[in-house]
Amino acid sequence: GNSVTQMEGPVTLSEEAFLTINCTYTATGYPSLFWYVQYPGEGLQLLLKATKADDKGSNKGFEATYRKETTSFHLEKGSVQVSDSAVYFCALSSYYGGSQGNLIFGKGTKLSVKP
Amino acid sequence: DGGITQSPKYLFRKEGQNVTLSCEQNLNHDAMYWYRQDPGQGLRLIYYSQIVNDFQKGDIAEGYSVSREKKESFPLTVTSAQKNPTAFYLCASSAVLLSYEQYFGPGTRLTVT
Repeated sequence: GNSVTQMEGPVTLSEEAFLTINCTYTATGYPSLFWYVQYPGEGLQLLLKATKADDKGSNKGFEATYRKETTSFHLEKGSVQVSDSAVYFCALSSYYGGSQGNLIFGKGTKLSVKP
Repeated sequence: DGGITQSPKYLFRKEGQNVTLSCEQNLNHDAMYWYRQDPGQGLRLIYYSQIVNDFQKGDIAEGYSVSREKKESFPLTVTSAQKNPTAFYLCASSAVLLSYEQYFGPGTRLTVT
């Protein structure tokens, strides 16, 4: 079946540090890939997405590139801020592999940014 | 402002009681979803609905029930049959069924003792 694996947290960084959160996937067919962010006490917000190989999703200084050859979709940001502290979820959607197009989430990576 | 509202934010119940979580959206979306989130876990799909009076089981539907009598509303009932109901429950909606662009509500944290 389809699945998403992302690096375990928590990740603690100083302000202005470079961020990478690794995400790899297993999927049948040609999935779409996403990063969602969850701020403390809130629901999830779509951060960025990529729907085909080599697409780069970007938003709010974050970016991720859909790499079919390595089945990866790593999230990066060049300079994090305290306000980026949140839990980040990698997810995929595929109409194959038993998922019927539903979103499949990774377990989430908690990011804490210190001033 | 368009969005999804869930109420209440915190809910406490005694074991053996059924409890209903509210979810309302004014985005005119056709599809709605319920997810469960546990600490250190991703989101798991409980139920989803494409249209009024129709809904489908997700990955962990046992012990839960839903209804979709109106397009805007998709309440979730956590029954006494759910063995481990304490969790954070998230409702979402999308313009079409199985669209990747799902919009989430703020969630309800249910504690059963």
